[in-house]
Amino acid sequence: DAGVIQSPRHEVTEMGQEVTLRCKPISGHNSLFWYRQTMMRGLELLIYFNNNVPIDDSGMPEDRFSAKMPNASFSTLKIQPSEPRDSAVYFCASSRGTGELFFGEGSRLTVL
Amino acid sequence: SQQGEEDPQALSIQEGENATMNCSYKTSINNLQWYRQNSGRGLVHLILIRSNEREKHSGRLRVTLDTSKKSSSLLITASRAADTASYFCATDASFNKFYFGSGTKLNVKP
Repeated sequence: DAGVIQSPRHEVTEMGQEVTLRCKPISGHNSLFWYRQTMMRGLELLIYFNNNVPIDDSGMPEDRFSAKMPNASFSTLKIQPSEPRDSAVYFCASSRGTGELFFGEGSRLTVL
Repeated sequence: SQQGEEDPQALSIQEGENATMNCSYKTSINNLQWYRQNSGRGLVHLILIRSNEREKHSGRLRVTLDTSKKSSSLLITASRAADTASYFCATDASFNKFYFGSGTKLNVKP
């Protein structure tokens, strides 16, 4: 079975540009999570969805960040406009409700 | 971090030795999990222990949970160079909301 698939794996962009990160969860999983990892703050939970519905977005840092899950097999995390402090590795993870999270390989974002 | 802290931040041992990492958390939990992250990769689930369990084993891994002290430990026995990675604990204070600690970086020298 394919795992959680994230794209792009690496993104380098300039401040002010829009960034879209994509995630395909494991088929049959009903929960999806977006995390951000930095050296300073560790792994931060940004938002999670259950059955495609956003349940808790209290971790989203500010209005520049938005996430959508239009169907069970696709989610996006968008940053508009991007800033250098958004540079981080963004992880998507999915779960079938047993507690175990399955992570993608991450999208490394660098904002210049 | 949003929930827990691992201790120590870094640990360096020789192959064959045991490695012990600790995790402390702040609020009541339903379960606690441990994950491993190899450099540049995503996190991989290792083991889950429920709040009503005190100890759990999986291969060379042994996890303990003390809910009265809000702490857990992960023991890796007979470590191998391939165990070199960062290890994180994760807790779910509320339904499906998992918070990760800051991690312990383990280096196993061959």
